[in-house]
Amino acid sequence: NAGVTQTPKFRILKIGQSMTLQCTQDMNHNYMYWYRQDPGMGLKLIYYSVGAGITDKGEVPNGYNVSRSTTEDFPLRLELAAPSQTSVYFCASSYRGGVTNQPQHFGDGTRLSIL
Amino acid sequence: AQRVTQPEKLLSVFKGAPVELKCNYSYSGSPELFWYVQYSRQRLQLLLRHISRESIKGFTADLNKGETSFHLKKPFAQEEDSAMYYCAPQLEYGNKLVFGAGTILRVKS
Repeated sequence: NAGVTQTPKFRILKIGQSMTLQCTQDMNHNYMYWYRQDPGMGLKLIYYSVGAGITDKGEVPNGYNVSRSTTEDFPLRLELAAPSQTSVYFCASSYRGGVTNQPQHFGDGTRLSIL
Repeated sequence: AQRVTQPEKLLSVFKGAPVELKCNYSYSGSPELFWYVQYSRQRLQLLLRHISRESIKGFTADLNKGETSFHLKKPFAQEEDSAMYYCAPQLEYGNKLVFGAGTILRVKS
């Protein structure tokens, strides 16, 4: 199993451009997440999904959109890129089940620069 | 407000020395608590979780509900322990994590 796969690994955008960060997982996990990590800071939750067709805002959702049409895929869309969105983006997934909370599994990250 | 504090940005120790990475949380309810680790050029991965009460790579973490702390400890640091460590309480709904800012551990030979 590949686990959580993110593409691209690196990208440079101009202000005002749009792009989609791709995330797919092959573990049949119900839950998926998008985080951003700014220098010297912890990961901040942007959006998450508890299943296909269901998405919810996290701590820092402004400027982003998501969709979850399948269990496997959870793309993150930036509509009008701004310099404040320069960051490293991580996708993660988690299994829903058992009597205790399940850990999250992370992708390698996408390093995005907005110039 | 939910908050996780890792007071040290950088912790530098010599090989063989004991290590303690501090984590304090401000949380309502009884969250599940995790430590995640990111080694150089690797993805973020689970190190240990409180409920398992297991030791991974020699690390343990004790939950102190009175002090709301979940410090990570290892009696003898190894060079391969050098990495970024994150403390992360988890909310029940959606298994959401709240990350601390992280602590860089550097183990010197």
